[in-house]
Amino acid sequence: AQSVTQPDIHITVSEGASLELRCNYSYGATPYLFWYVQSPGQGLQLLLKYFSGDTLVQGIKGFEAEFKRSQSSFNLRKPSVHWSDAAEYFCAVGAYHDTGNQFYFGTGTSLTVIP
Amino acid sequence: EADIYQTPRYLVIGTGKKITLECSQTMGHDKMYWYQQDPGMELHLIHYSYGVNSTEKGDLSSESTVSRIRTEHFPLTLESARPSHTSQYLCASSPTPGGGSYEQYFGPGTRLTVT
Repeated sequence: AQSVTQPDIHITVSEGASLELRCNYSYGATPYLFWYVQSPGQGLQLLLKYFSGDTLVQGIKGFEAEFKRSQSSFNLRKPSVHWSDAAEYFCAVGAYHDTGNQFYFGTGTSLTVIP
Repeated sequence: EADIYQTPRYLVIGTGKKITLECSQTMGHDKMYWYQQDPGMELHLIHYSYGVNSTEKGDLSSESTVSRIRTEHFPLTLESARPSHTSQYLCASSPTPGGGSYEQYFGPGTRLTVT
């Protein structure tokens, strides 16, 4: 069965520090992987996605993520965090079938940025 | 920029009332989804549709119902609202995979409070 694990419920970093949010997945086929960000009271915004090719993908707002098949991981990184990055971050796996698409989300990681 | 809209954004309603949460998208996506999300919690899929006149229940049991009479419109209805329905409801859509686009696009959400 497909599943997504985000082991860190909450992370606090100082503004300007680097950030890594962890994501592990379980999926039998080649995964389609996503990171979304959610600000309070808002919907989810796509940060980046991986389908194939280069395992290091660049996204919006200076984020990047690296797909590691051997570790079943898709960790999100940012070299220097800004106060506006404080939000909830969700990792997701897309499963595509002839009959339709299903998406599986992790439980989210809440990011706090301190001055 | 995703073109998926939800109305109302906020709704406070009394117990026993019938309510309909609206979701529309202008991207021509055939697949649409409803998620329920409690504050700071993961997303739970409650309904999805793979096309007109196609609706299915998701992983989380819900007393709501949905309809898909037009491609662009996927309303969710609660016949008799209860305080346990208080939550944030997120609508999403996704295209048929192809052309490099596989991800879900999310609306801004409806925050429902049942008193």
